[in-house]
Amino acid sequence: DVKVTQSSRYLVKRTGEKVFLECVQDMDHENMFWYRQDPGLGLRLIYFSYDVKMKEKGDIPEGYSVSREKKERFSLILESASTNQTSMYLCAFQRGNEQFFGPGTRLTVL
Amino acid sequence: GENVEQHPSTLSVQEGDSAVIKCTYSDSASNYFPWYKQELGKRPQLIIDIRSNVGEKKDQRIAVTLNKTAKHFSLHITETQPEDSAVYFCAASLNTGGFKTIFGAGTRLFVKA
Repeated sequence: DVKVTQSSRYLVKRTGEKVFLECVQDMDHENMFWYRQDPGLGLRLIYFSYDVKMKEKGDIPEGYSVSREKKERFSLILESASTNQTSMYLCAFQRGNEQFFGPGTRLTVL
Repeated sequence: GENVEQHPSTLSVQEGDSAVIKCTYSDSASNYFPWYKQELGKRPQLIIDIRSNVGEKKDQRIAVTLNKTAKHFSLHITETQPEDSAVYFCAASLNTGGFKTIFGAGTRLFVKA
């Protein structure tokens, strides 16, 4: 059974704080993704990574950065959180054509 | 840039009726079209997919159709059941190594018992 975990299910931060969202997969897969999910907007790709230390911008990278120091771990960083980054964040890895999603982190920025 | 439009945003059907969700894509190079289902409070999961060399694919009560010329693809659910209630996302991607998947905005399906 595939497994991808995210460090927190719920997170509340203040404007200007630095926020780390962690994602870990246990299947040694190369391709990993970070999405944010907002009502009426679906899943929008923030960043993705093909391999360790490799990263590519998605459709909405502004205000975010990522880190992939180990194959199993892909981190999303909000350098200075803002209220418009309040959202559900979903991590995923890819096996074949299918993407497997983590449980999501609901981030609220006050 | 690439775009996937999905309609309707909300769909309510009576149990036993059929439900149809439609998507259009902009990148004519797209050749892989998955559909994901997300139940309330859960993560999206792949339920069916179709490749560009196939016009239709069926798996029990769900089927997908693809019209490459019109860049349309659809999800059909027959004999709907309450457990079909969820948000459904269509997506389009280019099947190259490490390809990027573009998702539609989602359709919230309600099946009334």
